[in-house]
Amino acid sequence: RKEVEQDPGPFNVPEGATVAFNCTYSNSASQSFFWYRQDCRKEPKLLMSVYSSGNEDGRFTAQLNRASQYISLLIRDSKLSDSATYLCVVNPNDYKLSFGAGTTVTVRA
Amino acid sequence: DGGITQSPKYLFRKEGQNVTLSCEQNLNHDAMYWYRQDPGQGLRLIYYSQIVNDFQKGDIAEGYSVSREKKESFPLTVTSAQKNPTAFYLCASSIDPNPTSGRAMVFGPGTRLTVL
Repeated sequence: RKEVEQDPGPFNVPEGATVAFNCTYSNSASQSFFWYRQDCRKEPKLLMSVYSSGNEDGRFTAQLNRASQYISLLIRDSKLSDSATYLCVVNPNDYKLSFGAGTTVTVRA
Repeated sequence: DGGITQSPKYLFRKEGQNVTLSCEQNLNHDAMYWYRQDPGQGLRLIYYSQIVNDFQKGDIAEGYSVSREKKESFPLTVTSAQKNPTAFYLCASSIDPNPTSGRAMVFGPGTRLTVL
């Protein structure tokens, strides 16, 4: 079983729509969780950390469900500029981070 | 502005040749990492270094070597022993060597290596 699994998508949504997707992780001892955004042929960039109580950053909301071992990302009022691949990142042990393969979101006009 | 630079951006190599990818950071970060990204897969850790003059193998270290002689530099050598080296290589750094602290890592722009 992979350490981090994501639905690859693509999720094709119209501008203004809400889109949400999950990521599951296998190691219950994981303590840090992040969402990164990666544009085509570019490096990943931190979108937001995910906290136990859930957190928002503008139009983005992240949730953590430790019991079911998944995190989620919700994007409200989608913009064309939100089109990207979203990487789920989890730390399964002290020294490393594990990356999902990414969920691709395409926002259309 | 602080950040991570990687060079070259594109690199072409003939089979049997060793190549070295450069990674420099001016963020004063202690920890540095090398990842490899292949289409449809998550980033995989090649090597990491939590402090100068020390480094550890990641999940896919075979065929690669690194050095960490200076805090700001962490070059990666792809040797001829690496069987499938064509990939996107990403260098990253973090202020805190322990990912459990919740401190995220910063990535460089990457090097695309193609073996001809």
